[in-house]
This record gives sequence, structure tokens and C-alpha cells, in this order.
Amino acid sequence: DIQMTQSPSSLSASVGDRVTITCRASQTISSYLHWYQQKPGKAPQLLIYTASNLQSGVPSRFSGSGSGTDFTLTISSLQPEDFATYHCQQSYSSPKTFGQGTKVEIK
Amino acid sequence: QVQLVESGGGLVKPGGSLRLSCAASGFTFTDYYMSWIRQAPGKGLEWVSYISGSGRTIFYADSVKGRFTISRDNAKNSLSLQMDSLGAEDRAVYYCARGGDDRADYWGQGTLVIVSS
Repeated sequence: DIQMTQSPSSLSASVGDRVTITCRASQTISSYLHWYQQKPGKAPQLLIYTASNLQSGVPSRFSGSGSGTDFTLTISSLQPEDFATYHCQQSYSSPKTFGQGTKVEIK
Repeated sequence: QVQLVESGGGLVKPGGSLRLSCAASGFTFTDYYMSWIRQAPGKGLEWVSYISGSGRTIFYADSVKGRFTISRDNAKNSLSLQMDSLGAEDRAVYYCARGGDDRADYWGQGTLVIVSS
């Protein structure tokens, strides 16, 4: 199975900050990497697909980059509604696996 | 708009069975893989199972293989997960999601399964 490792596991940031979350795959996954946002008690929502494509309806302050084994999710200017947990997921091979999540908290 | 509504979760004794259902609407059901993804309390996400639009391609995570059975009724736009021989490790919120060959682009609200005596 492909292992997905996110860093950091949690971070504290202020509204307006630029936030970067990293996801590393245990082997190359090309660009088959997706990002989800999950708020407490809610289902995850797709933010970014295939490494850098913004899902319809997602604000442009979210962006994704990377290929191979190293990927990044960036929030250019953190907004109050962005405090949540972010998950990466690979679809290069089955089983599709997720990272452990990164919790973004208010500083 | 795409809607996925799960039902069937609840409390079950160890070794027992439960059947989850997901009613889908707002898209052409047969065009999409469908999945069950779970999240244990305070834990990450685990892709449990997926099924192709025709039902011919099915995947199970090793953790549930031989105990869980995924199926779909394309005439009723519904997805099911039959869960047998449940153990404490199966306690989780189970999400129905659209997709399975790639990403999950829509998710239901989730249904909680608790395995306890």
C-alpha cells in the first residue's frame, strides 16, 4: 500500500496568514493526489483534484502543487471558515489511501 | 444537485451484522463508481470499498475483505454495504461517496456504526 504522510499534523495560524501543508507519498504517484477539507462533525469536501485543479466552487485562495512524491496545499490568506482538518489522498493505486490529516487551528 | 443520504447505522453487538444504505440523486447514477469510506473516532479516513457503475469492478480494503459486501441497485439509485462479523475495530462514521476509481467528489453526511456489547 502507498503510505501518505502529511506535515505538520497540526498548526496554529491567524486570519490572513499564508498556510502551507505538505503531503508526501511513499512511492511516486504522478499527479494522482487530491485534497479535502473537513470541518468538525461534517463530511470531507473535495478542494483540489489531480494535484493542482480547483474543484468547482472552491475559493481561489486554495491552490495545490507537486508531482511524484511531494505535494503542497497552500491557502494564500487564511479566512475564518478555513479552520478545519485537511486530508490528502492518492488515487495512483488501490487501496486509495489518505494522509493522517492536518488540523488548522486559530492562533 | 448531487445528494447522497446514508442510513442504517446504529449499535450492534460484536460478531453481529448491519446493512448500510445510500440513496443517491441529482446525477446519472450508472455513470459513476460509488464508495464507502469510514472514519473511526478521532482518526483518519479509510477507503473501505468501491464499486463500478456496472457493478463489475469491486474493491475491498484488506481490513474488511470477506466480511463486508458492497452492492448497488441502479434501478433505484442506491448503494449498500452489508457488514458481517463486526468487531470493535469497525466502529466509525461510514460515508457514502461518489467516485472510487479516482477521487471522491461528493460525500453523504455519514452514518455512525457502534460495535459494543
